[in-house]
Formats: sequence, structure tokens, C-alpha cells
Amino acid sequence: DGGITQSPKYLFRKEGQNVTLSCEQNLNHDAMYWYRQDPGQGLRLIYYSQIVNDFQKGDIAEGYSVSREKKESFPLTVTSAQKNPTAFYLCASSIDPSGSYEQYFGPGTRLTVT
Amino acid sequence: GQNIDQPTEMTATEGAIVQINCTYQTSGFNGLFWYQQHAGEAPTFLSYNVLDGLEEKGRFSSFLSRSKGYSYLLLKELQMKDSASYLCAVKDSNYQLIWGAGTKLIIKP
Repeated sequence: DGGITQSPKYLFRKEGQNVTLSCEQNLNHDAMYWYRQDPGQGLRLIYYSQIVNDFQKGDIAEGYSVSREKKESFPLTVTSAQKNPTAFYLCASSIDPSGSYEQYFGPGTRLTVT
Repeated sequence: GQNIDQPTEMTATEGAIVQINCTYQTSGFNGLFWYQQHAGEAPTFLSYNVLDGLEEKGRFSSFLSRSKGYSYLLLKELQMKDSASYLCAVKDSNYQLIWGAGTKLIIKP
């Protein structure tokens, strides 16, 4: 079955620690995205990648970093510089980087930092 | 600034019809998406409108008026499983998705 996997579903970290959220897709999609979802707000774009070895900052990239070394994988690192990291993180992919097609989402990772 | 407005919450009765509205103000327009999201889960794609008019897909329909910056999602023959949040998203002139905060739909028996 094709799809997007994110692991783990729940993640707990202490303040000051970096943490990496994984995102893998076997849909052969070129474009991948990371969003953050907070209660009462729309999805906010953190980073996106339209092709391997290339990625762009979204609206709220500060305190986050990504890599795109393989087409299938787009891990997100939440660094200690992110002021309010507790949130629900969603990874998505799309067949077409131009954005004319829908995005497919992974199940999400709920990160709690205390 | 760019803005997508949706009602925060709506309540409807099982078997009835409900219309969820979305108004947008964005820098350019390259299409509008509707997604469904059950609590704690990933959004799933429902519909895509790029031209004015109504797109029907089973119990769900989506309407777009570009001149009014307006769309609605129409859900017919409501079922309990339709209880979810419905997200409206607009693709702007840079092909970036701008997301509304979502409408939480509560279905009562």
C-alpha cells in the first residue's frame, strides 16, 4: 500500500533538546511539506521541498531544519531555538510541485516539550 | 494580508444537509481545496475547485465563486461519521496553500 508514514505518533522531550521527526513516502511524489497545527489555527507551513537536495522555508521556519537527501524521506528537526515547539506536526506530499494536485498527509506526530 | 474565514463550529442532525462556507482574500488564486480531518488524524482530500460552479462527488459537493472570493462545501444525508473538522485551503499566486482554521462539524442523532 502506498502512503506516508510518520513516526513516532507521540513524542515527549525536555526543553533544550533537539528532536527529529521522521517522514517517509512511497508514493513517488516529488514534493514534500511539513506543517504545524495548533488549536484554533490553520495549518502553517514550516518547510517544503519540490525536488531532492532542495528545500525552501515556509512561513514559520525559524527554529526548524530539514533535509531531503532521498526522494522518499523528508525529516524535520525541531531545535532548541524553537520557542514554542509543542504542537501537532503533519508531513504531506504531492505528485506535482506546482501545487495543482492535492496533498496527501501522514498520520502526524504530536510533540510535547516540557 | 492573506485570509481565509470559516465558521469555527457548526451543529447538524443526522440525515440532514449542512453547508460550510469559506471566504478568502489572497494574493492571487490558483484553486481551492476542501479537506476533512477527524480529531487527532491526518487531513484527507475531499474536493478541488478552480473554475466557478458546483463540483459534485457523492454526498459531498463544493461550490466556487471567484468573483466573490467564496466557496461552500455541501454535505447531504449526514452520517455520524461526518463529525469532523473541514478545512478550506486556497492556492495563491505563488502556488502556496493558505489554510483556514477549519470548521468543526458536530452531528447529533
